[in-house]
Amino acid sequence: EAGVAQSPRYKIIEKRQSVAFWCNPISGHATLYWYQQILGQGPKLLIQFQNNGVVDDSQLPKDRFSAERLKGVDSTLKIQPAKLEDSAVYLCASSLVGGEQFFGPGTRLTVL
Amino acid sequence: QQQVKQSPQSLIVQKGGISIINCAYENTAFDYFPWYQQFPGKGPALLIAIRPDVSEKKEGRFTISFNKSAKQFSLHIMDSQPGDSATYFCAARDSSGSARQLTFGSGTQLTVLP
Repeated sequence: EAGVAQSPRYKIIEKRQSVAFWCNPISGHATLYWYQQILGQGPKLLIQFQNNGVVDDSQLPKDRFSAERLKGVDSTLKIQPAKLEDSAVYLCASSLVGGEQFFGPGTRLTVL
Repeated sequence: QQQVKQSPQSLIVQKGGISIINCAYENTAFDYFPWYQQFPGKGPALLIAIRPDVSEKKEGRFTISFNKSAKQFSLHIMDSQPGDSATYFCAARDSSGSARQLTFGSGTQLTVLP
């Protein structure tokens, strides 16, 4: 079974630029999560989708972050404009409803 | 109230030794407590999990001990091996809400010396 796919794996941008990350969940997983993992910290949930609807986006900085999950499969997370403090690994995870979360390898973002 | 506090931040153990990582929580609504293992460049992977109706769960060399009254749980790795060197995260989930999101601890970087 293929795992959660994410791209790109690494991204370096200047502050105030925009960036987008892509996630392809495990086939059949209705729930998709985006996490931010700052170096030395545990993952922090940014947004949770069930199919193409948002379940929880309470910790998403909505002035600069946006996410969508069109057709309830792939998802993109966008940051516009990026700040230095956005440097982190962005993890995507997916699960069956209420089931174990499976994580992708993440995208390491460096904002200069 | 949503925090999960994890200690120690880093741990060095000799091969064959016992590694112990501790976590504490405040939210009594948490009802699922998983541990994740993360290798460099990889996403976290579920290692073992426990629900509060049992005090201990063992899977191979990995054991979770759970103390509901103290609101603490710990991971014990017996006969630690160099291949166990990774970052370990405890987490907790409140399954009553629609979101059922995980709250993670800050992580413990384990190094097992050969």
